[in-house]
Amino acid sequence: GQSLEQPSEVTAVEGAIVQINCTYQTSGFYGLSWYQQHDGGAPTFLSYNALDGLEETGRFSSFLSRSDSYGYLLLQELQMKDSASYFCAASDSSYKLIFGSGTRLLVRP
Amino acid sequence: NAGVTQTPKFQVLKTGQSMTLQCAQDMNHNSMYWYRQDPGMGLRLIYYSASEGTTDKGEVPNGYNVSRLNKREFSLRLESAAPSQTSVYFCASSAGTTPEQYFGPGTRLTVT
Repeated sequence: GQSLEQPSEVTAVEGAIVQINCTYQTSGFYGLSWYQQHDGGAPTFLSYNALDGLEETGRFSSFLSRSDSYGYLLLQELQMKDSASYFCAASDSSYKLIFGSGTRLLVRP
Repeated sequence: NAGVTQTPKFQVLKTGQSMTLQCAQDMNHNSMYWYRQDPGMGLRLIYYSASEGTTDKGEVPNGYNVSRLNKREFSLRLESAAPSQTSVYFCASSAGTTPEQYFGPGTRLTVT
């Protein structure tokens, strides 16, 4: 079957750095995306990795290792507004997505 | 630009009733998608349309039908609602040439 595994919940302190891991087992893997979803809101796109390595977008970075079927999202200088759920999603060559079950991030003052 | 819009925002159905969820996008995107999200879970793809005139099944298509009415609109129909279809339904669109999908605000459906 196709699956993505990520921790269900992570807690961190404002100003800190947090890493959310994702391991995947999917057929026809093409790339790994990350989405953010606030409670009651819609998912919004954060980043995408098709190649091994680190992609940086402001305070957020995302990493992919194809050989390990593993990726992570790194959030730096955490702010209270970063409290949300974060989903990794594997795409095939047509960019159709399979989502993980999400990691709920709680940022404490 | 409104982006992706969905109607209705909330709906309560009785078991066996039918309804259609509407979705429209104004970004001239080729691809459109319907997902469901159950509490504490990720999104699961119900159906998608890679381009106008084509539709394909996703992970959980049973109990649903779709229509790609034109490039802008993609509707999801529940012919005979069941309590197991209680969920939040999201429509999304993308250019189809990039991984970024744009999501609508969702429809919260309860089937009693």
